[in-house]
Amino acid sequence: KAGVTQTPRYLIKTRGQQVTLSCSPISGHRSVSWYQQTPGQGLQFLFEYFSETQRNKGNFPGRFSGRQFSNSRSEMNVSTLELGDSALYLCASRVVGGAGDTQYFGPGTRLTVL
Amino acid sequence: AQSVAQPEDQVNVAEGNPLTVKCTYSVSGNPYLFWYVQYPNRGLQFLLKYITGDNLVKGSYGFEAEFNKSQTSFHLKKPSALVSDSALYFCAVRDPSGGYQKVTFGTGTKLQVIP
Repeated sequence: KAGVTQTPRYLIKTRGQQVTLSCSPISGHRSVSWYQQTPGQGLQFLFEYFSETQRNKGNFPGRFSGRQFSNSRSEMNVSTLELGDSALYLCASRVVGGAGDTQYFGPGTRLTVL
Repeated sequence: AQSVAQPEDQVNVAEGNPLTVKCTYSVSGNPYLFWYVQYPNRGLQFLLKYITGDNLVKGSYGFEAEFNKSQTSFHLKKPSALVSDSALYFCAVRDPSGGYQKVTFGTGTKLQVIP
């Protein structure tokens, strides 16, 4: 079974631009979560989507948004990019059987904001 | 609110020696606990989890972890370290109250296995 895939793997943007990242979950997984990983802040939860609805949200500004499609694929958008948005963005999928579900992570998208 | 602490930023161990990576947690009720490993420029890879039952959990690549409720700990262990175990290790906790409770990750511990 194919793992979680994320595209693109690397992105370079300039301040003020916007960016869209894509995540395809493992087949049969219906939930997708997004995380931001930086050396200073570690792994920070952004949001989780299930059945095309946002189910939980972390403490990020409204510039960070996401959506999920009927095939469970998800996109994350960051508008008006800031230097501090440079990070590795990880998505993770799970089956949604319960709180004990294991999340499986993709390889990440490395975003650099210049 | 739930939280996870990994008190050591880095752990150094000689190849062949046992290794321990520490994790303590805080959550209301019984926790769901996870360990992940991250190699450079890669995503997180699942190692093992504790949901209920036996306090000693065995996972991938010879790793195991012991759940200790009284000490609110979930330390990761391996009897004999390999150089290839050198990576960043994350402990995580999820409140089992259900629904879509988020997973909270620790800050990570860098494991260096010295040949």
